[in-house]
Order: sequence, then structure tokens, then C-alpha cells
Amino acid sequence: EVQLVESGGGFVKPGRSLRLSCTTSGFTFGDFALSWFRQAPGKGPEWVGFIRSKTYGGTTEYAASMKGRFTISRDDSNSVAYLQMSSLKAEDTAVYYCGRPSDRIRWSPVHVEYWGQGALVTVSS
Amino acid sequence: EIVLTQSPGTLSVSPGERATLSCRASQSVDRTFFAWYQQKPGQAPRLLIYEASIRATGIPERFSGSGSGTDFTLTITRLEPEDVAVYYCQQFGGSPLITFGGGTRVEIK
Repeated sequence: EVQLVESGGGFVKPGRSLRLSCTTSGFTFGDFALSWFRQAPGKGPEWVGFIRSKTYGGTTEYAASMKGRFTISRDDSNSVAYLQMSSLKAEDTAVYYCGRPSDRIRWSPVHVEYWGQGALVTVSS
Repeated sequence: EIVLTQSPGTLSVSPGERATLSCRASQSVDRTFFAWYQQKPGQAPRLLIYEASIRATGIPERFSGSGSGTDFTLTITRLEPEDVAVYYCQQFGGSPLITFGGGTRVEIK
């Protein structure tokens, strides 16, 4: 069974940093791109960024508003993806999700078939 | 930037009736890169439809997707109480790379 579990969320002051983890199981992690999304209270999902598999260079892409502050990385040996967030602002308050594409297009986040349960990040003084 | 506009904002439908949800893109979207999701309170989104018209694994036949270019539609034939949720459309490949619509809330009348 494919599973993705986010962890590391919590309460943080503006300007501080936080790292989220996405621990996965049930599939060959290294074969898949892995995306991060967030959803502010009462809003729709927003794409944060994604990381390609090593086969496709392991490179990353980010939404413009997150670029420079957020960094996605992966540890294929432990089937974990990370979202490092720095210089956090109140408007970064959201539930953060990691997601995996379907088997048919595993190299690209064209759509997300599997989602984690989400990790709440609250940025407030 | 590709903006996805969903309508209506809220849709009230009687059980057993049809629900038709619309998503309009500000620029043409390759239907291969268009999807629909369902989200219930406190849950992550759930993939319903990908490539504009293909049902994801385990999705009931009452859900169907259609459309191309800038106009896409999600249809729920014979609405069931468990279909109460917010539905989002999503595109890939534009700028930003991935965007979602604002959502349509489906309620039981």
C-alpha cells in the first residue's frame, strides 16, 4: 500500500525556519518525482514545488513566490523527501502536503494520485 | 500565468440528480495535463479524473470529465450524499507549473 506521511509541522515565529519530512512506503521512492503543496485555511491547494527523480537529474522546480525561501530535497536510501522553509511569514501558515504522481507518469507531477495527510504549519508571533 | 476559474462557487443538488461543474482556463491547456480532485473536510485532495476524462483508480462511474482547450467540465450523475465536498480543477505545464481553480462546493439540496 502506497503511503506518504508528513511530519515536522508546528508553531513557528516569523523569520524562523522549519523542515518538513515526507516519509513514504509501498513503492520504489527513487523512481518517482515528489511534490509539495500547501493549503491555507479556507483556500484551495497551492503548488509549492517538486523534485525530479535521480533518473531525471534530481532537479527541482518551485512556485515563484516560494523560490529562494523553500528548498526541496530527497533521500532515496530512506524514501524520504524534505521541504526546508526559511524566513517564514504569517502568510505561509497552511497545511502542507506531499504528493506522488501516478505510475503511468511517475517522472512528472502532471497530477497527484497519492497524497499525505498533511502537516499544519502555523507562523505567528 | 494560467488562471483556472471554477463555477459555480456553490452548487446545491438533490440526491440522485446531476451536478455539472465548470472550469475555465485563461489560456489553452493540453487536456493531457488537466485533472479534477475531490476534497472533503479535514482530508487531503483525492484524484478523480486525469487527462481531462480518465477516471482514477477506484472512482465510481458516476464521475466523468470532458472538455478541451479552455473549457472543462466535471459531471456527477446521480449525486450521492457522500459526494458532498469541494471539487478543484488543476492544470500542469503553464506558469506557474501547476495551478488549481478556486473550487466548487457541492451541497445536498
